[in-house]
Amino acid sequence: KQEVTQIPAALSVPEGENLVLNCSFTDSAIYNLQWFRQDPGKGLTSLLLIQSSQREQTSGRLNASLDKSSGRSTLYIAASQPGDSATYLCASPSGGYNKLIFGAGTRLAVHP
Amino acid sequence: GAVVSQHPSRVICKSGTSVKIECRSLDFQATTMFWYRQFPKQSLMLMATSNEGSKATYEQGVEKDKFLINHASLTLSTLTVTSAHPEDSSFYICSATSALVDTQYFGPGTRLTVL
Repeated sequence: KQEVTQIPAALSVPEGENLVLNCSFTDSAIYNLQWFRQDPGKGLTSLLLIQSSQREQTSGRLNASLDKSSGRSTLYIAASQPGDSATYLCASPSGGYNKLIFGAGTRLAVHP
Repeated sequence: GAVVSQHPSRVICKSGTSVKIECRSLDFQATTMFWYRQFPKQSLMLMATSNEGSKATYEQGVEKDKFLINHASLTLSTLTVTSAHPEDSSFYICSATSALVDTQYFGPGTRLTVL
């Protein structure tokens, strides 16, 4: 059964810093891994989806990497901004029907 | 990406009443929809998977008689919380997918408060 863990649980940084959020998973035979953003009281916004055959994906200031052999994925945020403040969740499918297993998330606060 | 809506966005009800939450895929046919529950400062926990035209598959520990799920069409799934109690207060999020996409598209969530 897939288990997903995220560290740190919370992170508070000044504006402009480059950040690394970590996600680890137990079943390396993953189909893909996805990073989401969730603002307080809101639904999820998909940020990046990395297929099992890929090593990384980039979108603007975001870069996500995937290392199946070590069971890890990282989300790199360059030049952080206050608008990046949110909870970041990683998730991977497990079992049939693309059932997503979520990590507990990293709550990010970027201060001006 | 595809758009998934949920209605209502917030609902407050008295203990013992039933509440229905709708999840709609607005611009694609969702053969599969998922229902999640999220408690404050916790992650999303999958409650059940519903496929259009068939019975939902519930995760371990989720009472199927309490959380009734109907997926009667390719664009609509409903979650009914029957005889709601304060411990059912939570944030409920649905997602939709199909065999043609690699991801799930999430709704904005419904905040349920049971008094």
